[in-house]
Amino acid sequence: GAGVSQTPSNKVTEKGKYVELRCDPISGHTALYWYRQSLGQGPEFLIYFQGTGAADDSGLPNDRFFAVRPEGSVSTLKIQRTERGDSAVYLCASSSRTGNEQYFGPGTRLTVT
Amino acid sequence: TQLLEQSPQFLSIQEGENLTVYCNSSSVFSSLQWYRQEPGEGPVLLVTVVTGGEVKKLKRLTFQFGDARKDSSLHITAAQPGDTGLYLCALKRGSDAGNMLTFGGGTRLMVKP
Repeated sequence: GAGVSQTPSNKVTEKGKYVELRCDPISGHTALYWYRQSLGQGPEFLIYFQGTGAADDSGLPNDRFFAVRPEGSVSTLKIQRTERGDSAVYLCASSSRTGNEQYFGPGTRLTVT
Repeated sequence: TQLLEQSPQFLSIQEGENLTVYCNSSSVFSSLQWYRQEPGEGPVLLVTVVTGGEVKKLKRLTFQFGDARKDSSLHITAAQPGDTGLYLCALKRGSDAGNMLTFGGGTRLMVKP
């Protein structure tokens, strides 16, 4: 079956621009997670959805970052007024509600010039 | 201060050699997971260890959870070029609020043919 997909795979944007990153989770998975992975580091948690609601957004670094999941499936991570420090790979993962395993997508590599 | 410290950060070995990588913390874990990440891909779960002193084997990979549940190791026997990748340990935080993962910084392994 289809795994987690993320689009675009690469995004280059200029400092100050707005970007949207999309995640399509595995069908039927109610839990969805966003992580950010900077070069040479492990992923860092950003936000977690259970269904349509953001159950925990404690990892979002500031109010320029926002994520939605309006129908409980696809999620969009939105970054306003991008900064060079936002450059990283943004990973999405999904799991069943009680699942032990999170299934990760391939990530979106964001480069802010 | 990182919750999970992984060592070494980098490891380059020849095919056929054995190696061990470590994941340590000053805190006690309820469970720990090991992931492997290849370039351009998301992390893939290898194993979950739960019980202090537990040993799990996955083909040539042996995972051990420390007796005090504050450390873990991954041993690879007769490494192969296909083992090349980033090895990450992670712990889950939260239960009712979800299974957000906190990752270590990773060990980047390169196995040369």
